[in-house]
Amino acid sequence: QVQLVQSGAEVKKPGASVRISCKASGYTFTDRAFHWVRQAPGQGLEWMGWISNGNGDTIYSQKFQARLTLTRDTSAMTAYLELDSLTSEDTAVYYCARDEDLWGQGTFVTVSS
Amino acid sequence: DIVMTQSPATVSVSPGERATLSCRASQSVKRNLAWYQQKLGQAPRLIIYGGSTATGVPARFSGSGSGTEFTLTISSLQSEDFAVYYCQQYKSWPRTFGQGTRVEIK
Repeated sequence: QVQLVQSGAEVKKPGASVRISCKASGYTFTDRAFHWVRQAPGQGLEWMGWISNGNGDTIYSQKFQARLTLTRDTSAMTAYLELDSLTSEDTAVYYCARDEDLWGQGTFVTVSS
Repeated sequence: DIVMTQSPATVSVSPGERATLSCRASQSVKRNLAWYQQKLGQAPRLIIYGGSTATGVPARFSGSGSGTEFTLTISSLQSEDFAVYYCQQYKSWPRTFGQGTRVEIK
């Protein structure tokens, strides 16, 4: 079955970092790139960044450039998002998406003291 | 950045009626435009790409447009179609989404 399964919900303190995983199955991992998108409670979709299927090149939204890192482990068929220096404004559901056509179920990150 | 503007913010439609959603880009995206459907508590789902190619949805869903003006039409709304719909351009970086149109039951 072709799917993306993300890691579970996280609760973090302000200033901490969060790492979210996105495990792919059912297709050749290196054939497709990944995007990461987030959605704050009751809000719309916000694109964060992209990691290529080739050599792992990345493109980040300027908003997150300084504190976002996207990586992947091809042997584990998993993509990762790491976001540093969290604030309450980072409370959101984070989604991975394969070339926009297949989305993970989302990971809810709560940032609260 | 390309700004995507959707209208209206909310559209109220009776089951069986037609819904027409609009998406405007601040500059040409050619046909590099996708539509997503998001139901409450679920991840977005791709329903249209290339501006007009439907994927995995009934024939009542159709997309049209190119350049800066795009339309998503749902010809005869069913109960399962009530959701929020987002457009997204993938012509250039950064990818950008519209703010969404909520389709609600009238």
